[in-house]
Amino acid sequence: GAGVSQSPSNKVTEKGKDVELRCDPISGHTALYWYRQSLGQGLEFLIYFQGNSAPDKSGLPSDRFSAERTGGSVSTLTIQRTQQEDSAVYLCASSSRGVQGETQYFGPGTRLLVL
Amino acid sequence: AQTVTQSQPEMSVQEAETVTLSCTYDTSENNYYLFWYKQPPSRQMILVIRQEAYKQQNATENRFSVNFQKAAKSFSLKISDSQLGDTAMYFCAFRGAAGGTSYGKLTFGQGTILTVHP
Repeated sequence: GAGVSQSPSNKVTEKGKDVELRCDPISGHTALYWYRQSLGQGLEFLIYFQGNSAPDKSGLPSDRFSAERTGGSVSTLTIQRTQQEDSAVYLCASSSRGVQGETQYFGPGTRLLVL
Repeated sequence: AQTVTQSQPEMSVQEAETVTLSCTYDTSENNYYLFWYKQPPSRQMILVIRQEAYKQQNATENRFSVNFQKAAKSFSLKISDSQLGDTAMYFCAFRGAAGGTSYGKLTFGQGTILTVHP
């Protein structure tokens, strides 16, 4: 079946603008994750949604970052008032419950460049 | 908090030879999962192999196998018969099991760039 998809593939924005990044998980997967990959910080966890439970937001770096998941499927990561240090690749992953439920499958990422 | 350490920033190997990538981790949890992911230049993270901590048998997937030493908190990846397509960044990752404090998120190592030479 189709894998995790993310859009846009690349985004260039000006400092101070807001951006929205979208993630479509694998159909039927109940868990969705956002990570950030940057040269200086490596791969960092941002936020995690599991079913109808309250999301784990412990990795969000500031209150400029927020995410929502509508209808238990598509997720949007929003960065307000972007800063140059927000430049990174934003990766989304999804997983399902069950024996294989601990494996996260990743999308191709969105490369964000803040000028 | 969990930490994952990959001490080899870069490795290289000749095609058809064997290479081993190192990974150590630190956790106080008893049940967890360990993973190796591959990230080629296309940026797509691809699962290579996974290991459940409660299983003593080392996981294998075709040319890929792990050496899991739970007491030593070591989880190395062996690639046999290396192929040009194995050239990529390899990440070791830890995830706690359900009921633990680190359930959900993956904690990644810094990555090892592997280059396979013809």
